[in-house]
Amino acid sequence: GESVGLHLPTLSVQEGDNSIINCAYSNSASDYFIWYKQESGKGPQFIIDIRSNMDKRQGQRVTVLLNKTVKHLSLQIAATQPGDSAVYFCAENINSGYSTLTFGKGTMLLVSP
Amino acid sequence: AAGVIQSPRHLIKEKRETATLKCYPIPRHDTVYWYQQGPGQDPQFLISFYEKMQSDKGSIPDRFSAQQFSDYHSELNMSSLELGDSALYFCASSLGQMNTEAFFGQGTRLTVV
Repeated sequence: GESVGLHLPTLSVQEGDNSIINCAYSNSASDYFIWYKQESGKGPQFIIDIRSNMDKRQGQRVTVLLNKTVKHLSLQIAATQPGDSAVYFCAENINSGYSTLTFGKGTMLLVSP
Repeated sequence: AAGVIQSPRHLIKEKRETATLKCYPIPRHDTVYWYQQGPGQDPQFLISFYEKMQSDKGSIPDRFSAQQFSDYHSELNMSSLELGDSALYFCASSLGQMNTEAFFGQGTRLTVV
């Protein structure tokens, strides 16, 4: 399944499917991006980051793609599990020289067994 | 591994009262960030400190102030509380302040009645 961020804030998938969560970031000068996972009542949890000199980075079951031309980030989760159910935020470092992060609108991922 | 510790976890205050939230960063982390997250909203950056000095400022109301102490813990002081201040307040910490991963605490849920 695929999300288009603001236009589809909830993504529902079946366990085992691959999930793609999209994010449009705001500042073309941003040079550092992070995907966070937030479970209900908990703080954001780091998933994966990417710097602007890269267009792809892979982690365990997750891949982040960065398209600077259209200011677009995506998070791909392979073999989605029920434990992946959460709200996912992309965040950008919008203030060069500081690690202050500006968060995008979240996408709720719901994984059905 | 030690994480970011926030206290209290829950706080209920009446309008016009004051509140103090505390944040204990991961050991050796020198940078602290404060974020406010309203219901169903993305986290909004308030303020950050690096080596006990304010390093960046976001949408923090004038009624709020914060500081970072010699042991690197930070406190967010909120006065003349309003109903709209009800939110989750997250603290994050990082080592350094240049494009580096920030680790979030579990948050303090403030309810103003």
